[in-house]
Amino acid sequence: NAGVTQTPKFQVLKTGQSMTLQCAQDMNHEYMSWYRQDPGMGLRLIHYSVGAGITDQGEVPNGYNVSRSTTEDFPLRLLSAAPSQTSVYFCASSYSKAGGAEAFFGQGTRLTVV
Amino acid sequence: GENVEQHPSTLSVQEGDSAVIKCTYSDSASNYFPWYKQELGKRPQLIIDIRSNVGEKKDQRIAVTLNKTAKHFSLHITETQPEDSAVYFCAARYNFNKFYFGSGTKLNVKP
Repeated sequence: NAGVTQTPKFQVLKTGQSMTLQCAQDMNHEYMSWYRQDPGMGLRLIHYSVGAGITDQGEVPNGYNVSRSTTEDFPLRLLSAAPSQTSVYFCASSYSKAGGAEAFFGQGTRLTVV
Repeated sequence: GENVEQHPSTLSVQEGDSAVIKCTYSDSASNYFPWYKQELGKRPQLIIDIRSNVGEKKDQRIAVTLNKTAKHFSLHITETQPEDSAVYFCAARYNFNKFYFGSGTKLNVKP
């Protein structure tokens, strides 16, 4: 099992460019999420999905789109990159369990927007 | 939604001492509280968790306590070692595995 795999690990974008961060998991987890991590602010939820075809917004969704066509993949799209989107992005997956189950994280994507 | 607050933001202890990190949450619907450790440049990894029907859980040198009435939970690390140095995050699970994280505590264990 590879777990949660994110690509790319590093990316530099110019303001206004668009790109897609890829996330794939091979654990057959129903739930997948995207977080951004900024210094002193912890991990903030961008978007999440409870299954294929179902997505919803988190705390900081503006400027990002997601879709979930399969259980395995949950790409995050930046429509028009802005310097404020410079951050480290983590994808996570978890399974449904009464009382809660841990989130497994990908290795992260460090994005710089210039 | 949920709001999780975490204190302190930095914590420096001498090797062998204990460390305590505290978190509060706002929504009584949250029912699962994991703690993650993140080393520099790495992904967060689960170190311990607690469910809302349990008041305390221990795993060797680490323990977590939960007070549902007061809506707060704490991480306790005893006999700290230099390899415990990292950033620690608390989280609360709210609705369909939506996790809300605290802002993190940077723990520095001095040899």
